[in-house]
Amino acid sequence: ILNVEQSPQSLHVQEGDSTNFTCSFPSSNFYALHWYRWETAKSPEALFVMTLNGDEKKKGRISATLNTKEGYSYLYIKGSQPEDSATYLCAFKGAGGTSYGKLTFGQGTILTVHP
Amino acid sequence: KAGVTQTPRYLIKTRGQQVTLSCSPISGHRSVSWYQQTPGQGLQFLFEYFSETQRNKGNFPGRFSGRQFSNSRSEMNVSTLELGDSALYLCASSLVAGVTNEKLFFGSGTQLSVL
Repeated sequence: ILNVEQSPQSLHVQEGDSTNFTCSFPSSNFYALHWYRWETAKSPEALFVMTLNGDEKKKGRISATLNTKEGYSYLYIKGSQPEDSATYLCAFKGAGGTSYGKLTFGQGTILTVHP
Repeated sequence: KAGVTQTPRYLIKTRGQQVTLSCSPISGHRSVSWYQQTPGQGLQFLFEYFSETQRNKGNFPGRFSGRQFSNSRSEMNVSTLELGDSALYLCASSLVAGVTNEKLFFGSGTQLSVL
């Protein structure tokens, strides 16, 4: 059974705070690591797809890093805004036939940014 | 460009009935995957279709089935509904889903309640 773990489960921060979350995944058989943002009453939306060890991606105030050798990825939000409130999901894509077309998601980190 | 469309948005069924959910992918996308979200669980992979062929299936009982049509639209069917099938069912599409850095585009989901 493939385990993708996210921490913390939930986070409350004040507007302007910077924050980060962790995603842990198997270090073997790695193909890609996805990050999605899921706002209430909307569809999950892709933030990043990361494939190479040491990858760093940035989109506005949000950035992510990837360490495939030790099996973790960090998502950072700089200067959180109330509109950043959402559930942040990471998803592991393995290599090989049994993983074809399949993402294994973590439980998500629920971020609430208070004005 | 229209996004991923799922119908119906909400559905109420009783135990023992069967249900069919529909998903229209983004135009040009040939891969459609289905995920189940239940309270306390992350997104669980159901199956993935590409060019009318099921390429992968998650760990769900045979009551869960799906198909894809030549226009890439997909349906999933759940027969002999159980209370535990109450969940949000999300459909996602991508061009091929075999390309390393390809992200998924999700629909808004179908909320199924089994009474």
